[in-house]
Order: sequence, then structure tokens, then C-alpha cells
Amino acid sequence: GQQVMQIPQYQHVQEGEDFTTYCNSSTTLSNIQWYKQRPGGHPVFLIQLVKSGEVKKQKRLTFQFGEAKKNSSLHITATQTTDVGTYFCAGPSESNTGKLIFGQGTTLQVKP
Amino acid sequence: DGGITQSPKYLFRKEGQNVTLSCEQNLNHDAMYWYRQDPGQGLRLIYYSQIVNDFQKGDIAEGYSVSREKKESFPLTVTSAQKNPTAFYLCASRSSRGPIYEQYFGPGTRLTVT
Repeated sequence: GQQVMQIPQYQHVQEGEDFTTYCNSSTTLSNIQWYKQRPGGHPVFLIQLVKSGEVKKQKRLTFQFGEAKKNSSLHITATQTTDVGTYFCAGPSESNTGKLIFGQGTTLQVKP
Repeated sequence: DGGITQSPKYLFRKEGQNVTLSCEQNLNHDAMYWYRQDPGQGLRLIYYSQIVNDFQKGDIAEGYSVSREKKESFPLTVTSAQKNPTAFYLCASRSSRGPIYEQYFGPGTRLTVT
């Protein structure tokens, strides 16, 4: 079945270092979404990418959607302790676009 | 103040008991979802509903039931048939109007069954 995979599963960085998480889909996606879940919290929508090769920035966060629309990445420049949490990518299901298929998430720990 | 509410935040039950988790939204969203999250895991879809009086099974529906009698409400019942019910349960909703179809999540209910 359709799968969305993320790597790495965990990442520990020193504050100020950069961080990247990668998302790969088994199928071509019409769009990809990214969510952040703080420890003990709930997922919060960050962004949606739609176009092939699209790059969007939100302050220190850079999101990319691959040319083939099967992969995506989230890069954080100069991490801060407020970046701690789990980052999920998600794409619409082929069988029902009302459903999202979530990746397993990448948990980021930042040492001050 | 629009949003999704889930209650209670923490719930404790004995094995063999059914338990119903509440989810209410005032965002006027058509679609609603229930996910289960286990420690260190991603989100697994239990049930979803795209319109009132209609719902579909997700990937892990066994041992769960839902109803969607009102647009605002999508309660989830964890039955005694669910073999491993202890988990974090998240409810979400989504607008049917584009162009962005993000899901809005409630604060979640942590269910512990002993």
C-alpha cells in the first residue's frame, strides 16, 4: 500500500547546528504537508507544498518539494531549543484525498 | 474562539470496559478524523468522516466505533474488543474548501487501561 517514510527517526543536535529531515513517498503526491508536535502536545500544521520543485521558507525553516513530487525535506538553520519536537510529513491518500498518510516523524532534541 | 476540544485530557479505565472519547469542533469543518499515537510512533488513522451521518474505517478500526450525528461532534468509543487500548488519541478536523487542506488537531486524550 501507499507509504510515506521519514528519516532519520531521531536527531540530537547542539543548539546552533542545522537540522534536516527527509520524507519519501511510495507514490507521486499532489501536495505534501508538514506538521510539528511539541513534547506532550498535538500536531500543528506548518506548511503545504503543491508545486514540483517548490521551496518555501518560514524564518529559519526551509521546506522543499521534490521535482518528481515524491520527496520533501525540512531544513532548520541554527536550531534553537524552541525547535524541539517531532516533525511529521503527510501526503493525501491515493484512494481518498480526504485522508492523509503520515510519515513516522523525526524527533529533534536540541542541547543548549 | 474557534477550535477543537477533546475531553477528558487523561482517562483511566479497567480492562473490559468500553469508554467514549469526546471530540467537538466549532470550525464548521465537514471532515473529522480519529488517530491513535503510541510512544515514539506516528499517527495511525482509526476512523474518519467526511460528512454528517457517514464515516469510514481507517487503518486500525478494529475494536473501535464512532458516530457522526452532528457536524460538530465525532465521538470515539474504545470497546473491550480493542486488545491494546492504552494510547494517546487525537481528533482532527479539516475544511473541504481549498486551497490548503490542513488538519486541525485537538489537544488529545491519553487513555490508560489497566
